[in-house]
Amino acid sequence: GAGVSQSPRYKVAKRGQDVALRCDPISGHVSLFWYQQALGQGPEFLTYFQNEAQLDKSGLPSDRFFAERPEGSVSTLKIQRTQQEDSAVYLCASSLVGPGVRIYEQYFGPGTRLTVT
Amino acid sequence: GQQVMQIPQYQHVQEGEDFTTYCNSSTTLSNIQWYKQRPGGHPVFLIQLVKSGEVKKQKRLTFQFGEAKKNSSLHITATQTTDVGTYFCAEMEYGNKLVFGAGTILRVKS
Repeated sequence: GAGVSQSPRYKVAKRGQDVALRCDPISGHVSLFWYQQALGQGPEFLTYFQNEAQLDKSGLPSDRFFAERPEGSVSTLKIQRTQQEDSAVYLCASSLVGPGVRIYEQYFGPGTRLTVT
Repeated sequence: GQQVMQIPQYQHVQEGEDFTTYCNSSTTLSNIQWYKQRPGGHPVFLIQLVKSGEVKKQKRLTFQFGEAKKNSSLHITATQTTDVGTYFCAEMEYGNKLVFGAGTILRVKS
């Protein structure tokens, strides 16, 4: 079946531009996560949705970062007034939760590589 | 927040040699997950460990969770070129968010 998809796969933005990154999770997955992965580092948590509710946004680095999931499926991560330090790969992941689920495996998308020049 | 430290940062082995990466925490971990990320790829789930002293095997991969639940290891027997990639441990915290270690990069020389 289809996995998590993300678009665009690559984005080059000039400093100060706004960008929007899209994530299509696996159908039926309630939980959706955004992570930021700098070169040579592990992914770092940004934010988490359960259905349309944003339950945790503690990892968003500044108020320039905003995420939404209005209908509980597709999610968009928006970065306003991009800075060079925002250059990274942005990974989206989804997982299944519910009664009887004991292994909270997260399925990652291919990521969007953002380069801010 | 919780931090998991991973060592070594990098390992280059001859094909057929064994490989081990270690994940350590100063506080008790509620669980540990392991992921593999191929060069240019995305993290792919390998396993979840929850119980103290737990050992799980997947073909040539052996995963352990320490008795005190403060460390974990991944051991690969007789590495192959297909094992190349970065191996991450991660703790799943409240709300199911993952806190990743920095990863161990494995290179295999054939």
